[in-house]
Amino acid sequence: GENVEQHPSTLSVQEGDSAVIKCTYSDSASNYFPWYKQELGKGPQLIIDIRSNVGEKKDQRIAVTLNKTAKHFSLHITETQPEDSAVYFCAASLYNTDKLIFGTGTRLQVFP
Amino acid sequence: EAQVTQNPRYLITVTGKKLTVTCSQNMNHEYMSWYRQDPGLGLRQIYYSMNVEVTDKGDVPEGYKVSRKEKRNFPLILESPSPNQTSLYFCASSSYPTGAPEAFFGQGTRLTVV
Repeated sequence: GENVEQHPSTLSVQEGDSAVIKCTYSDSASNYFPWYKQELGKGPQLIIDIRSNVGEKKDQRIAVTLNKTAKHFSLHITETQPEDSAVYFCAASLYNTDKLIFGTGTRLQVFP
Repeated sequence: EAQVTQNPRYLITVTGKKLTVTCSQNMNHEYMSWYRQDPGLGLRQIYYSMNVEVTDKGDVPEGYKVSRKEKRNFPLILESPSPNQTSLYFCASSSYPTGAPEAFFGQGTRLTVV
């Protein structure tokens, strides 16, 4: 079955710097890759997703890239702000199922 | 407002005392699921339901039961809780199979079993 590895487990950056979180997946059939942001005391919230027919997707300061050959995808946050501080989870699945396999999470801290 | 509502948010109980965590969604989603979140392990699926009266095991179903008598509700039942079920629990729903599989999560229930 699918296995998703996520790195790093913690990441500290200065406000205004960029942050990059990387995930690798094992099942080459996976074709849907969402990213979730979990703030303290809240449930995970979808922030961006990408499907395997594109290599990159951008939404304001957030972008996700996908390398199908290497089976890895990354979340890029530019111009980080303190409110970006949260735990971020990647996940992988087949688009025609709802079996999401999650990474173990990255705690991002943005220092003012 | 589209939302998934879990109750209670916090629960402390004793070993062996049956409990139920409720979950309700207002998006008319057919697909609902339960996850537990533990440090270093991420989110792991406990049970899922494709529709009313259709439920199936996820990755870590031992010690849990679910029911889906109505489309909007998907309660999680612990018949005889044990300390290893101390965890943070999330209910989720999605528009699968008609839409993208991204999940909408509830606020979470922090369960402590002593």
